[in-house]
Amino acid sequence: DTAVSQTPKYLVTQMGNDKSIKCEQNLGHDTMYWYKQDSKKFLKIMFSYNNKELIINETVPNRFSPKSPDKAHLNLHINSLELGDSAVYFCASSQTSRSTDTQYFGPGTRLTVL
Amino acid sequence: GDSVTQMEGPVTLSEEAFLTINCTYTATGYPSLFWYVQYPGEGLQLLLKATKADDKGSNKGFEATYRKETTSFHLEKGSVQVSDSAVYFCALSPNYGGSQGNLIFGKGTKLSVKP
Repeated sequence: DTAVSQTPKYLVTQMGNDKSIKCEQNLGHDTMYWYKQDSKKFLKIMFSYNNKELIINETVPNRFSPKSPDKAHLNLHINSLELGDSAVYFCASSQTSRSTDTQYFGPGTRLTVL
Repeated sequence: GDSVTQMEGPVTLSEEAFLTINCTYTATGYPSLFWYVQYPGEGLQLLLKATKADDKGSNKGFEATYRKETTSFHLEKGSVQVSDSAVYFCALSPNYGGSQGNLIFGKGTKLSVKP
């Protein structure tokens, strides 16, 4: 049973399109996250949701919007895709938002914008 | 702001060699410290963690000690295997305010182990 799953695994699209990435966790965790990994492997947090409330929103363009229909799901919608959005996007979850909690990562979604 | 600096890679070792990957951090208060590993084509997996000063995290032969006096969390393994080839990330999680739980990563160190 996959703890944190993401769909799709690969996403290739044209500039200007709108796309979504879905994330689900079956660990019963309260907190979920989205991270972006660029071509140099650098990871940076984008969003965090705790019990469906947004608690972190780093300096991410408002073309990116997270949506959490329930505690087990955190989806990422991206409008008007740009070349610079090409990256691997990772979803993660943790029991709570405490600093001591381990985050469990999904397998990633590789987004390529042409 | 809080940050993590880890040694640049890539690091290439022969099987059974000793591994050290240096990691230092800058943080307010008392963060938790983590090492994550990313195997090719996969997501990140927790390797080990330490949540307070002088704690030692260990897993699969890897160890790291939370040194507050030197703000370091160096990763070590006595004898690496080919299967240890991966990218290793040092990270911290602040324990204050709105940034709590926000993992801040180093740039990653790619390790290649040759037979």
